[in-house]
Amino acid sequence: AQSVTQLDSQVPVFEEAPVELRCNYSSSVSVYLFWYVQYPNQGLQLLLKYLSGSTLVKGINGFEAEFNKSQTSFHLRKPSVHISDTAEYFCAVTLAAGNQFYFGTGTSLTVIP
Amino acid sequence: ETGVTQTPRHLVMGMTNKKSLKCEQHLGHNAMYWYKQSAKKPLELMFVYSLEERVENNSVPSRFSPECPNSSHLFLHLHTLQPEDSALYLCASSQMTGFDEQYFGPGTRLTVT
Repeated sequence: AQSVTQLDSQVPVFEEAPVELRCNYSSSVSVYLFWYVQYPNQGLQLLLKYLSGSTLVKGINGFEAEFNKSQTSFHLRKPSVHISDTAEYFCAVTLAAGNQFYFGTGTSLTVIP
Repeated sequence: ETGVTQTPRHLVMGMTNKKSLKCEQHLGHNAMYWYKQSAKKPLELMFVYSLEERVENNSVPSRFSPECPNSSHLFLHLHTLQPEDSALYLCASSQMTGFDEQYFGPGTRLTVT
């Protein structure tokens, strides 16, 4: 069975500091990987995705993530965060031949002025 | 209207009531989804429709009944709910099932009293 683990439920970080949100997955077959962001009172919005090719993926709002197959990880990073990055971040995986996404429990990022 | 819309945004209902949640997507997508989002839990996929046919049903209690009359509309009919059903219910759509990006609506905040 597939599962997604987001190791940090809450991450406080000062404005303009770098941040890394961790995501690990378990799967015996090839997967596709995603990061979504959820702002207060809104639905989820795609930040970036890895399907194939370069393991370093760049997304919107200056975020990037690196797929590490040997460590089964897909950590999200941003070199300098803004107040507006305060939100809930979800990692998700889906199988190549699957119908559904498996989401992590989310990481609440709080950017401190 | 653009994207994925959901109505109502908030709903309070008693355990003996019957209500329906509505989702509409304006993106021309062929797949639609219902998710349940509870605090500190992964998003739970409830139902998946592809081309108006249900393709996934993840052991959801029968007190939740989905309906997809066409590729743009998705309903979730609710009856005899329990307090533990209180959650944010998210609708999403994608071009096809599989690894296509899912676009989410803002959700319906349901409280069962």
